[in-house]
Amino acid sequence: EPEVTQTPSHQVTQMGQEVILRCVPISNHLYFYWYRQILGQKVEFLVSFYNNEISEKSEIFDDQFSVERPDGSNFTLKIRSTKLEDSAMYFCASRAEGYEQYFGPGTRLTVT
Amino acid sequence: KQEVTQIPAALSVPEGENLVLNCSFTDSAIYNLQWFRQDPGKGLTSLLLIQSSQREQTSGRLNASLDKSSGRSTLYIAASQPGDSATYLCASTDSWGKLQFGAGTQVVVTP
Repeated sequence: EPEVTQTPSHQVTQMGQEVILRCVPISNHLYFYWYRQILGQKVEFLVSFYNNEISEKSEIFDDQFSVERPDGSNFTLKIRSTKLEDSAMYFCASRAEGYEQYFGPGTRLTVT
Repeated sequence: KQEVTQIPAALSVPEGENLVLNCSFTDSAIYNLQWFRQDPGKGLTSLLLIQSSQREQTSGRLNASLDKSSGRSTLYIAASQPGDSATYLCASTDSWGKLQFGAGTQVVVTP
């Protein structure tokens, strides 16, 4: 069964460093999303991406964040200068024309 | 702004009992309602998606209902098993598919 994959599973970085989180969505999906979950809190929407552009973003998704689909398979989230409060589990999700979203296993980002 | 609430926050039942998980949302103009399961430290597994035009959706032992007018969805899990122990999340969808999540109900099924 097709699934969303994410790498790495765990990333440790120092405050101020840039990180890139990678996702490979399900191959025939058209809509891509990033969410995050701070430990003990709700899953929060960050950004949605369709037709090679951002379709919606949350207040969290400021100038420090960017997304890219550099080729036909990868979907990346970049954080330019990480802060302690960026520590969270980051989930990538994708969907086809229907609304059911499929999530990857997540990348745990730890900023020290 | 859409707010999604799940009550109770935690639930413990003996094996074999039916589970009833509640989800409420403030804005009835949702496109869909999706239920997920999350195991500790893991990703989210989609359980059921109810489209706004539907009133319920079934998959095996799971049944989810949706009442848009009252802003409620309920997930029923029949004949619970220890393997059903997990956190269950509901999320509403807007027109772009953005999911707005509740905080979840943590379920423990005791043998």
